[in-house]
Amino acid sequence: QKEVEQNSGPLSVPEGAIASLNCTYSDRGSQSFFWYRQYSGKSPELIMFIYSNGDKEDGRFTAQLNKASQYVSLLIRDSQPSDSATYLCAVNGVSNFGNEKLTFGTGTRLTIIP
Amino acid sequence: EADIYQTPRYLVIGTGKKITLECSQTMGHDKMYWYQQDPGMELHLIHYSYGVNSTEKGDLSSESTVSRIRTEHFPLTLESARPSHTSQYLCASSPRFGQTEKYNEQFFGPGTRLTVL
Repeated sequence: QKEVEQNSGPLSVPEGAIASLNCTYSDRGSQSFFWYRQYSGKSPELIMFIYSNGDKEDGRFTAQLNKASQYVSLLIRDSQPSDSATYLCAVNGVSNFGNEKLTFGTGTRLTIIP
Repeated sequence: EADIYQTPRYLVIGTGKKITLECSQTMGHDKMYWYQQDPGMELHLIHYSYGVNSTEKGDLSSESTVSRIRTEHFPLTLESARPSHTSQYLCASSPRFGQTEKYNEQFFGPGTRLTVL
């Protein structure tokens, strides 16, 4: 089992609809969770982070965290063609060396259909 | 906007050459990372550093080496490039706990696309 799992997609969503991206993680000690967006050929950029159970909203983006279920999701409301990208879920945990490390999922490719 | 730089952005080189990919950040971050990513594929951590004179190998075995002599600089070296090294190399940095509320957020550089012929 991978430490951070995402459905690779592709996920196709009509323009204006809600896109829902999901991520599960295996390390119960994980404390912080990030969503990165990566356009094709570009480097990842952070769009959301969340530490506490519940929802966190930022514009059209909402991150949801459920630590009991080890589940984090990203909702994108009013989807736009510019939202078409790969979305990476990243989870902060502890490495074998006792140091903090960020583990990335494989990413979900999202396509917004005009 | 993150201040992390990578040079060169693109490099095409012949087999057997020694190459160094540069990465610098001006944010004073303690932690720096190198990832390898093939087109459409996942990120693989190949090296990381938690401070000056500290380097560790990542999850993916790599023939490259790194050094961290200065906080702001984290170069990656391939002694003898091979076609199998063709990939995108991404450098990232993050602050230590307490420097920012975004605990362990990583800022990425623009990447170096390496092609070995």
